[in-house]
Formats: sequence, C-alpha cells, structure tokens
Amino acid sequence: AQTVTQSQPEMSVQEAETVTLSCTYDTSESDYYLFWYKQPPSRQMILVIRQEAYKQQNATENRFSVNFQKAAKSFSLKISDSQLGDAAMYFCAYRTFNTGTASKLTFGTGTRLQVTL
Amino acid sequence: DSGVTQTPKHLITATGQRVTLRCSPRSGDLSVYWYQQSLDQGLQFLIHYYNGEERAKGNILERFSAQQFPDLHSELNLSSLELGDSALYFCASSVRLVGTDTQYFGPGTRLTVL
Repeated sequence: AQTVTQSQPEMSVQEAETVTLSCTYDTSESDYYLFWYKQPPSRQMILVIRQEAYKQQNATENRFSVNFQKAAKSFSLKISDSQLGDAAMYFCAYRTFNTGTASKLTFGTGTRLQVTL
Repeated sequence: DSGVTQTPKHLITATGQRVTLRCSPRSGDLSVYWYQQSLDQGLQFLIHYYNGEERAKGNILERFSAQQFPDLHSELNLSSLELGDSALYFCASSVRLVGTDTQYFGPGTRLTVL
C-alpha cells in the first residue's frame, strides 16, 4: 500500500518570503500522480498543484512550484512571495495511475503553515 | 467554489442515530468519492462510485453505506452512530476514472455525535 509522509507538522514563514514544505511517499508503482491540497480555516480542500510521475519537469502554478525527485520519492512544495492568504493546512496526496484499482487519494498528515507579518 | 455541493453543512446528532449526507458532483462528473477527516485518523478514503456503480471501498465501517443515484448525486448513510464518528465528511468528484482527473472537493459536512 502507498503511504505519504509529511514530517513537518507546522511551519512558519514571513510575508513575502519563501517556504518549502516536505513530502515523501512510498510506492512500488512507476506511474502515479502527486498533489498538494490546501485547507484554509474554512475547511475547503483546494487543489494547489499536481505532478505526473512520468513528467520530468517540475510543475509550477504561479507562486507555487514543486521539487519532484522520483528516485528519492520526494515531492516538496515551494511557496514564493508568501501571502497572508497562504496560511492554511497543506496536504500532500498520492494517486495511482492504474485505473483498474481505486483511484483514491492517499493523504499525508498535513503541515500547518503560518504566515507572519 | 469547486462546483461540488454538500448538504447539510453541519449535523449534530446523538449516539445510536442514523444520518444521511448528500453530495452533488460538478456538472458532467461521473465519479464521486467520499472521505472522512478526523483528528485521530486524518483524511481517509471511504468509498468511490462511478456512474452509479461502486468501484472501490476504503476504510469504511459496516455501519456506513453509500449509493450514487441516476442523476449522479450521492448519499452517505451513517447508522448506529458513535462518538468516534464525529468528523468532517468530504465528497469529491471527477470526470472519469482515470488518475489524471483532478478530484474537486465539496465544502464538507461536519458531523458531531453527542
């Protein structure tokens, strides 16, 4: 079974600075998808960014980018120019490529990000 | 707004009772997933339906059941409720079955069992 580990329960960053959230995963599959979801105080789960394992290029979405290291099974999220609205819980998630099995999301335990002035 | 709706937003009930949570997926989405978010278990997959058929089960208790109707909305039924069932229940939808599809989450239903 796949597992996702987020070893940083809490992180803090100053406004306008850059922060990196860590995620590692364990899988025996070669094709899969990785995601970062954001959960603000409203509790809504919002997709931040996703990465296909077969793509070597790291995904970017505006101020959000990932560092995907397939061999190391590492998938970190970098937030540049942090804003107060980035304060939230961030979850790393794994999804199998295989459509014959459950295409569920397997989540890590989350990292709470504080943004300070 | 993800386009996925869930009702009710909050539900407070007593142990031993039965409740039904409802989810309407985004227009055109055939897949519906249910997840439970609790303090001790984190975010866990419960069950997946695709176009009315159950496709996969996760850590779903026997006291829980779900279905997806012809209009593609889904209901999660929780019975013989226990204190430990208190959690945030999310529904997510995606267009198809494939892993490339993004799952869009609803706002969740917060269930409190007293």
